[in-house]
Amino acid sequence: EDKVVQSPLSLVVHEGDTVTLNCSYEVTNFRSLLWYKQEKKAPTFLFMLTSSGIEKKSGRLSSILDKKELFSILNITATQTGDSAIYLCAVVNSNSGYALNFGKGTSLLVTP
Amino acid sequence: EAGVAQSPRYKIIEKRQSVAFWCNPISGHATLYWYQQILGQGPKLLIQFQNNGVVDDSQLPKDRFSAERLKGVDSTLKIQPAKLEDSAVYLCASSLGGLAGTFQETQYFGPGTRLLVL
Repeated sequence: EDKVVQSPLSLVVHEGDTVTLNCSYEVTNFRSLLWYKQEKKAPTFLFMLTSSGIEKKSGRLSSILDKKELFSILNITATQTGDSAIYLCAVVNSNSGYALNFGKGTSLLVTP
Repeated sequence: EAGVAQSPRYKIIEKRQSVAFWCNPISGHATLYWYQQILGQGPKLLIQFQNNGVVDDSQLPKDRFSAERLKGVDSTLKIQPAKLEDSAVYLCASSLGGLAGTFQETQYFGPGTRLLVL
């Protein structure tokens, strides 16, 4: 059975801090790993990673995948209160219909 | 571009009652997913459609849950009868991938329906 483990489960930081969220996985036929941000509503897509060592960036957010060690990290620099959310990591098994297999998420709270 | 639409946004029912949720995916998206998200957990796939065919319903509790996507566009998810443990957010997502058996990973989610079973 495919597994996705995120850590930490929750995190409280001050505005301006840098945070690193972790996602480790076990999947039989890995195709891709995706990060989503979930506020009070729909999860919104952040990144999709398929290759090791290639960093994806979007503003203050970046992510990288290590397919040898089976993990990914999501970095957020200069955090803002608007970054407060649950960050979800999901993997795709190429044997499935590309359904997302999610971890439990990391709940991030950024305080002023 | 309009996003994934879901209704209702909230629903409160008593156990053993029935409930139905509706989803309208992004126009042109052939693949539609229903996920259940229990508080403190990540979303879990219930059922996946491509056009009007079922791709995966292995985690759908078929004794009480049913879903359909008759014309390959809108979809409904029904629970009958509901149990207390069905209290969750039900998320609908869609993605491209029109050719049979081809899929795309990037899924776009609707706002969800928050169900409370008393």
